[in-house]
Amino acid sequence: DGGITQSPKYLFRKEGQNVTLSCEQNLNHDAMYWYRQDPGQGLRLIYYSQIVNDFQKGDIAEGYSVSREKKESFPLTVTSAQKNPTAFYLCASSGTVDQPQHFGDGTRLSIL
Amino acid sequence: GDSVTQMEGPVTLSEEAFLTINCTYTATGYPSLFWYVQYPGEGLQLLLKATKADDKGSNKGFEATYRKETTSFHLEKGSVQVSDSAVYFCALSAHYAAGNKLTFGGGTRVLVKP
Repeated sequence: DGGITQSPKYLFRKEGQNVTLSCEQNLNHDAMYWYRQDPGQGLRLIYYSQIVNDFQKGDIAEGYSVSREKKESFPLTVTSAQKNPTAFYLCASSGTVDQPQHFGDGTRLSIL
Repeated sequence: GDSVTQMEGPVTLSEEAFLTINCTYTATGYPSLFWYVQYPGEGLQLLLKATKADDKGSNKGFEATYRKETTSFHLEKGSVQVSDSAVYFCALSAHYAAGNKLTFGGGTRVLVKP
């Protein structure tokens, strides 16, 4: 079955450490997205990519970085510059502009 | 800019009760509108969508009608079950925005008691 796989499900970060969250999709979608969800709140867009080797900042990109070297993969790095990284991170993908986004099951990041 | 406002929860209901979650939006032009559902510890699942005025999206007993005149997309279900307990998000996708960007409401937690 086609879908989006996020790993790991839980991740812990030490102070000053960079961590990378994985997102892989086999839906053959061109566009991929990263969102952050804080408790009791909606989703905020971190980065998005419409095609391979291209990506744009979303609403809260500071302290994060991404790459899009393959169509299937869109990893997110939470850098040490992100001072409040504890959140639930969701990856999504979509085909053409009018198609809805499909979401992975998320990665929960916590600070040690 | 674009925005989505939905009623704050939690909404607590008894099984077989009628559910309404209000959602209103602000956007330039004619966006597509979506309802997503999130079960505990999981990602979001598309529940239903509508792409133009007066469209009615429906799925699993849930319905929502795209009302351009009131800029609303209220979610309804006639008889809820315990399994409908989840967080519901209203969202819009503006056609002029690059990359099919979604703008989400804050989510409404629904708890259905047996």
